[in-house]
Amino acid sequence: GAVVSQHPSWVICKSGTSVKIECRSLDFQATTMFWYRQFPKQSLMLMATSNEGSKATYEQGVEKDKFLINHASLTLSTLTVTSAHPEDSSFYICSATGGPGNTIYFGEGSWLTVV
Amino acid sequence: KQEVTQIPAALSVPEGENLVLNCSFTDSAIYNLQWFRQDPGKGLTSLLLIQSSQREQTSGRLNASLDKSSGRSTLYIAASQPGDSATYLCALMGMNTGFQKLVFGTGTRLLVSP
Repeated sequence: GAVVSQHPSWVICKSGTSVKIECRSLDFQATTMFWYRQFPKQSLMLMATSNEGSKATYEQGVEKDKFLINHASLTLSTLTVTSAHPEDSSFYICSATGGPGNTIYFGEGSWLTVV
Repeated sequence: KQEVTQIPAALSVPEGENLVLNCSFTDSAIYNLQWFRQDPGKGLTSLLLIQSSQREQTSGRLNASLDKSSGRSTLYIAASQPGDSATYLCALMGMNTGFQKLVFGTGTRLLVSP
C-alpha cells in the first residue's frame, strides 16, 4: 500500500537554530500534504495544509514565518522550524493524500527536542 | 467550530474484556469519521473509516458505529488483548472544516493487562 515517510524520526537541536523535517510519499503523487503537531499526551493539531506548487495555508495561531513549509514536488513536503525554542519541542506528523481513493496516509512522525 | 471529545481519557482493563470507546462531535455535517491507533512515540495506524452514509464498519475484533444525528461514534473492541494497548484517536472530516482536513479527538489511552 501507499507509504508516507518522514525524516528524521527524531532530532535534537540547540535553541535558536533551524531544523528541517521531510515528508515523502513513496509510491504515489501527493497533491496535498498536511502537517500536524502533537504535544505530549495531547491530540494532533493541524498546523498547515500544503499543496504542490503553491503556498501553504496555515491554521489560526500558527506562525507562518516560524514554520516554513515547502511543497516543491508531488512527493516531497518539508517543514522548517526556524529559530527553534524549547517550547517548539513536540511530535510533528505529516499526512498526504492523492493516492488511490484519495485516502489520507500518515507518516511515522518526527520527534523534535530543542535544548 | 467543530469539537471532538473522547471519553474516557484513559481506560485500564484485564485481558479478555470487551470494551467501548466513545467519540462525540458537535457538528454533524461530516464526510466521514475515522478511528486510529497510536502507539507511544509513533505515528498513526488507521483502523476503521466510516463514511457519512454508513452506520458501522467492522474489522476483525473491532466494530465502529456512527450516529450523526446524536454526534456520536463508538469503537467496540471484543476480547481485548495486551497488544491492544495504545492510544485510540477518532478523527473526522467535516463539511465545514475544509476538505480533507481531519479534526482529531482528545484520545483514549487504553491499557490491557495480562
